[in-house]
Amino acid sequence: GAVVSQHPSWVICKSGTSVKIECRSLDFQATTMFWYRQFPKQSLMLMATSNEGSKATYEQGVEKDKFLINHASLTLSTLTVTSAHPEDSSFYICSASGATGTTYEQYFGPGTRLTVT
Amino acid sequence: QKEVEQNSGPLSVPEGAIASLNCTYSDRGSQSFFWYRQYSGKSPELIMSIYSNGDKEDGRFTAQLNKASQYVSLLIRDSQPSDSATYLCAVRFTGSARQLTFGSGTQLTVLP
Repeated sequence: GAVVSQHPSWVICKSGTSVKIECRSLDFQATTMFWYRQFPKQSLMLMATSNEGSKATYEQGVEKDKFLINHASLTLSTLTVTSAHPEDSSFYICSASGATGTTYEQYFGPGTRLTVT
Repeated sequence: QKEVEQNSGPLSVPEGAIASLNCTYSDRGSQSFFWYRQYSGKSPELIMSIYSNGDKEDGRFTAQLNKASQYVSLLIRDSQPSDSATYLCAVRFTGSARQLTFGSGTQLTVLP
């Protein structure tokens, strides 16, 4: 149980284009989804928190107009990197919470490796 | 300031030994604690959660929680080379809804 998928697993795009990453909870309803970014050999960095049907809450320093998050249903959240630049190249990982009511575990998707050329 | 501290390592242990990973946190009122394992190039995987003081065992893994000392640890018995990974400690701080604060991780290498 508690399986989270992400698509695509890797993507290469040209500078200035936009990329959409999907995160799905496959066997539970995720009341909250999180988006993280991780650079090589660094720790997870939380970008934003999204609750179904609400606007995402972005961490300090994360541009909400550049990283668009939509959490339209209890099983799907999307992250769109708009006008991507090489410095946006990173490993983007989503997680979902809500499998149980009070225990707060987060289950991670497999991640999306973005390379901007 | 909400902080989760881990020794970054690297920690090396021989195969078959016990690996001990430690974590301290800043909020005495925290109630939920998690250990994740992250292999190189992969996303984190939840291996243990603990909510009460004391020990919680799951197979070769034992999580230990001491809320008075604001300390949580993970013991891996009979360590295997396949246990080589970065281990992340995560804490749900009071008032943080479902958000977890992660430590920077401890890199463990189990030597065959």
